[in-house]
Amino acid sequence: QKEVEQNSGPLSVPEGAIASLNCTYSDRVSQSFFWYRQYSGKSPELIMSIYSNGDKEDGRFTAQLNKASQYVSLLIRDSQPSDSATYLCAVNMGSARQLTFGSGTQLTVLP
Amino acid sequence: EAGVVQSPRYKIIEKKQPVAFWCNPISGHNTLYWYLQNLGQGPELLIRYENEEAVDDSQLPKDRFSAERLKGVDSTLKIQPAELGDSAVYLCASSFQGDGELFFGEGSRLTVL
Repeated sequence: QKEVEQNSGPLSVPEGAIASLNCTYSDRVSQSFFWYRQYSGKSPELIMSIYSNGDKEDGRFTAQLNKASQYVSLLIRDSQPSDSATYLCAVNMGSARQLTFGSGTQLTVLP
Repeated sequence: EAGVVQSPRYKIIEKKQPVAFWCNPISGHNTLYWYLQNLGQGPELLIRYENEEAVDDSQLPKDRFSAERLKGVDSTLKIQPAELGDSAVYLCASSFQGDGELFFGEGSRLTVL
């Protein structure tokens, strides 16, 4: 079982819709959670971090964390074609706080 | 402010040859990471440095991979000898506090023939 799991997709949504990306993790004591965006052929870039249960909003992005369920999600409102990318969930795990990435979910926003 | 700089961007070698990758992190970032990324997969940690000290190298294949970070700034990752399965993108990243908010370089794409 992978330590950080994501649906690989691909996920397609129409322009203007809400895209919902999900991630589960295995380490119950993890405290730090991150979403990275990776365009094709490019390196990952940080878009959101979340440390407490609940929602955190930043522009069109909302990260949601539920530590009891070991679940973190990313919502993208008013999706744009420029949001088409692979979204990587990352979790600081273990006593060494090793940042572990999921395999990513490929999102396509259709014009 | 300059970002994380990596070189070379691309490298093609034959198996059993050595290869080295270089990384210059963002100024002031104490934590440096080397990740490996295969196509369609997320980055996998090879080694993490806090200043000069390698604090997590549990995933580094030490029989053929080595890394160093002299003076706590630049870092070099070496593979000797390279195998076909080493073909991947090698990503360097840095962070200020080692808390997971990473800044990645453009990566070094290795092809082993």
